[in-house]
Amino acid sequence: AQSVSQHNHHVILSEAASLELGCNYSYGGTVNLFWYVQYPGQHLQLLLKYFSGDPLVKGIKGFEAEFIKSKFSFNLRKPSVQWSDTAEYFCAVSGNTPLVFGKGTRLSVIA
Amino acid sequence: DAGVIQSPRHEVTEMGQEVTLRCKPISGHDYLFWYRQTMMRGLELLIYFNNNVPIDDSGMPEDRFSAKMPNASFSTLKIQPSEPRDSAVYFCASSLNTGGRETQYFGPGTRLLVL
Repeated sequence: AQSVSQHNHHVILSEAASLELGCNYSYGGTVNLFWYVQYPGQHLQLLLKYFSGDPLVKGIKGFEAEFIKSKFSFNLRKPSVQWSDTAEYFCAVSGNTPLVFGKGTRLSVIA
Repeated sequence: DAGVIQSPRHEVTEMGQEVTLRCKPISGHDYLFWYRQTMMRGLELLIYFNNNVPIDDSGMPEDRFSAKMPNASFSTLKIQPSEPRDSAVYFCASSLNTGGRETQYFGPGTRLLVL
């Protein structure tokens, strides 16, 4: 069965700083990879997803993620964060079962 | 589309009481998932259904938890009797199976507090 590891529990950044959130997965077969975002008090929403093709995936609100198969990683990036990006970010993977979510990374963006 | 609908949005109850959480998936979706979110354990998959049939309930913590899906448009998650450690946000999500590439659409959640 697949598993997901998010190494950063809480990240604090100033506005305009660059962001990279780590995500590593464990699964030997073909995987589908997702990043979800949960804004304060709201439900999870899809940010971006990767199935195949170009390993650099662009999502909404300027986010992107890169699939590196050799490292079993799918890190989330954004070149310049805004205060409104304050949220919790979840990496998820599906292989032979429905989505398995990581524990999440809380991002706090300060002015 | 109204999205995934959950009720109630907030529930406060006393230990030992029965709690029933409700979910209406997006019309046409054939998968339904129940999750529990806590600070300590993160987002946990409790159970999921395909075409109203429970497929995997290995995430259900105890026999006090039960879930049903009597038809394609309604599911319940019941806790009986409830305990303070059941306090969490419970999310329902639905998806249209596309062979593992499905995007799950989440409801707004039910915030449960057991005193």
